[in-house]
Amino acid sequence: EVQLVESGGGLVQPGGSLRLSCVASRFTFSNYEMNWVRQAPGKGLEWVSYITSSGSDMYYADSVRGRFTISRDNAKNSLYLEMNSLRAEDTALYYCARGCGGDCYGLSFDYWGQGTLVTVSS
Amino acid sequence: EIVLTQSPGTLSLSPGERATLSCRASQSVSSSYLAWYQQKPGQAPRLLIYGASSRATGIPDRFSGSGSGTDFTLTISRLEPEDFAVYYCQHYGSSLTWTFGQGTKVESK
Repeated sequence: EVQLVESGGGLVQPGGSLRLSCVASRFTFSNYEMNWVRQAPGKGLEWVSYITSSGSDMYYADSVRGRFTISRDNAKNSLYLEMNSLRAEDTALYYCARGCGGDCYGLSFDYWGQGTLVTVSS
Repeated sequence: EIVLTQSPGTLSLSPGERATLSCRASQSVSSSYLAWYQQKPGQAPRLLIYGASSRATGIPDRFSGSGSGTDFTLTISRLEPEDFAVYYCQHYGSSLTWTFGQGTKVESK
């Protein structure tokens, strides 16, 4: 079964930085597009960022563009999210999610990790 | 940006009953770009339906999706105890962005 394990969350002050990681296993990581999705406490889902399978192209939600950077290391089966200039409204559980393969063409997310919690507070 | 509005906010039903969840887009969208997810408390979301009507791997056939244009529906034909959860619709938009609806909670009556 596909596995995605996030780490790197924690408590950070407003204006601070954090780097999240997601380690993938039991599938060929380099063949799949990947995403970060977040969920504020008690709220709904918000897509954050996307990266192509090769890592050549990245896209961001307006709410994080210019502050967050997505990247990947296919040799290490790892996805990252570098978060800078953090704000209270970035407080959320951050999930990594795989873009679906086959006839889904990456348009939906077929596997998700369990998430890592980021809390931005002074 | 396309906005997805889900209704109702909460659906109170009994096991064995039929659940009908709605997702309305603020403008017409391709059905290929519409998906549904289930999320239980303390768990990550799970993909149920993609392309508006295709069931994801391992999803029971009591779950079905339909719709086109601006109106999409997720139907659970007979609710099982494990189906009580929050359901989200999702749309893939232009320039590789995605949006989610605000969710519908299906609770046990």
